[in-house]
Amino acid sequence: DIVMTQSPDSLAVSLGERATINCKSSQTVLYSSNNKNYLAWYQQKPGQPPKRLIYWASTRESGVPDRFSGSGSGTDFTLTISSLQAEDVAVYYCQHYYSTLTWTFGQGTKVEIK
Amino acid sequence: QVQLQESGPGLVKPSQTLSLTCTVSGASVSSGSYYWSWIRQPAGKGLEWIGRIYITGATGYNPSLKSRVTISIDTSKNQFSLNLSSVTAADTAVYYCARGWWGFDYWGQGALVTVSS
Repeated sequence: DIVMTQSPDSLAVSLGERATINCKSSQTVLYSSNNKNYLAWYQQKPGQPPKRLIYWASTRESGVPDRFSGSGSGTDFTLTISSLQAEDVAVYYCQHYYSTLTWTFGQGTKVEIK
Repeated sequence: QVQLQESGPGLVKPSQTLSLTCTVSGASVSSGSYYWSWIRQPAGKGLEWIGRIYITGATGYNPSLKSRVTISIDTSKNQFSLNLSSVTAADTAVYYCARGWWGFDYWGQGALVTVSS
């Protein structure tokens, strides 16, 4: 099974500054036949279900602000919030959908305002 | 507009079976374009994928839960369901149903299920 490990577990960033969250998979989630990384990012605010921000590692969901971007390939991925806004305070999760049998989430990264 | 809604008992006794149903509107569970999944989240903790089902009936389950989980689909009612047997307090969580293949694009609001005698 593929294990997803996020870092850090939490971070505090000043408003307007950059926030960077890392996600590492225990094996590649890059499917060589189509050159796609089978990885998504989610934002979860208290009392709400998660919201998908990014899929295919770097494709932004419609309506998601362009300050959110995803990058990386293979086993190492990054979610970047280029200029943190107050409404971005949340827990962020990565998730792979590479396997035909099982999918897993990272443990989550809590983003707060410094 | 696609909507998913979880329903089922909010309280289950230890050793019994937790049963939840997800009713889908605005989309068809018969669509071959998506998997239909269950995900749970204990209070204050992270997300745990439980399993998924495809219109063909093909399923995939979290290995840590596989021996206790069954997911089924009812195309006539546009629903899919979760059964989790032999529950303990550790199964207390908010249970979400979700649609997706390349990640989950639509989620239910979640159903809190407490395991307690």
